[in-house]
Amino acid sequence: AAGVIQSPRHLIKEKRETATLKCYPIPRHDTVYWYQQGPGQDPQFLISFYEKMQSDKGSIPDRFSAQQFSDYHSELNMSSLELGDSALYFCASSFKTKGADTQYFGPGTRLTVL
Amino acid sequence: QKEVEQNSGPLSVPEGAIASLNCTYSDRGSQSFFWYRQYSGKSPELIMSIYSNGDKEDGRFTAQLNKASQYVSLLIRDSQPSDSATYLCAVNLGNTGGFKTIFGAGTRLFVKA
Repeated sequence: AAGVIQSPRHLIKEKRETATLKCYPIPRHDTVYWYQQGPGQDPQFLISFYEKMQSDKGSIPDRFSAQQFSDYHSELNMSSLELGDSALYFCASSFKTKGADTQYFGPGTRLTVL
Repeated sequence: QKEVEQNSGPLSVPEGAIASLNCTYSDRGSQSFFWYRQYSGKSPELIMSIYSNGDKEDGRFTAQLNKASQYVSLLIRDSQPSDSATYLCAVNLGNTGGFKTIFGAGTRLFVKA
C-alpha cells in the first residue's frame, strides 16, 4: 500500500539559510499534519491542512510557513534557519472527509543546521 | 500540567510478560486516542486507535479507554524483544475538530530476552 512520501530525507543547511520540505500524502487523503521532533523529545505539532486550507496551528515559529496544494501535497518552508531547528520533521496524512482521523506518518526529513 | 502525560520509563519486562503502558489527558472534549510505536530515528507507527470507552483488542495489543477518568492504556501480551521501542500516546483535541494532535512524551519499553 502507498504510504506518505517525504522529501528530501536528509537536509543540511547553514544558519540563516532557507529550507523547503515536501510531503506527499497517501492517495485520497485530504489532511496533512506537520510535526517537529527534537532528539529525545515527542513529536510537536506544527500545523495542519484540510482540503488545502489551514485547519489548525501549533507551535510553529513565525519563520516557518506551510501550504497545501491542489494535488494535496504540502510544503513546509523554513527561513532564517537557527541551530535549534535541527530536528526530524514528520508529515502525516489522514482522510478526514471519510470521518477517519487516524494519522499515518511519513519517514521524516532529518534537518541539520550548521 | 501537560495535555498528555505518560511515564517516561524505561519500563523493563521479561520476554513473554505483559507490558502495561499508561496515559492521561487533560482535554475532556477529546474523542480520538491513538497509540504509536517509534523506534529510534524512525517515524511513529500506528498500533491502535480507540474512540469508545472500554477495551479494544488487536492481536497481542489491547487498548483501554476511560473517558470519565481521562485515561487510556495499552497492554502488550507475550512481549517480544522486537517490541522494545518508545510508545507514544496521542490525543486529538476535541475543540479543534480533530485537526490538532498532542503527543505524550512517550514510554520507553525494554523487553529482555
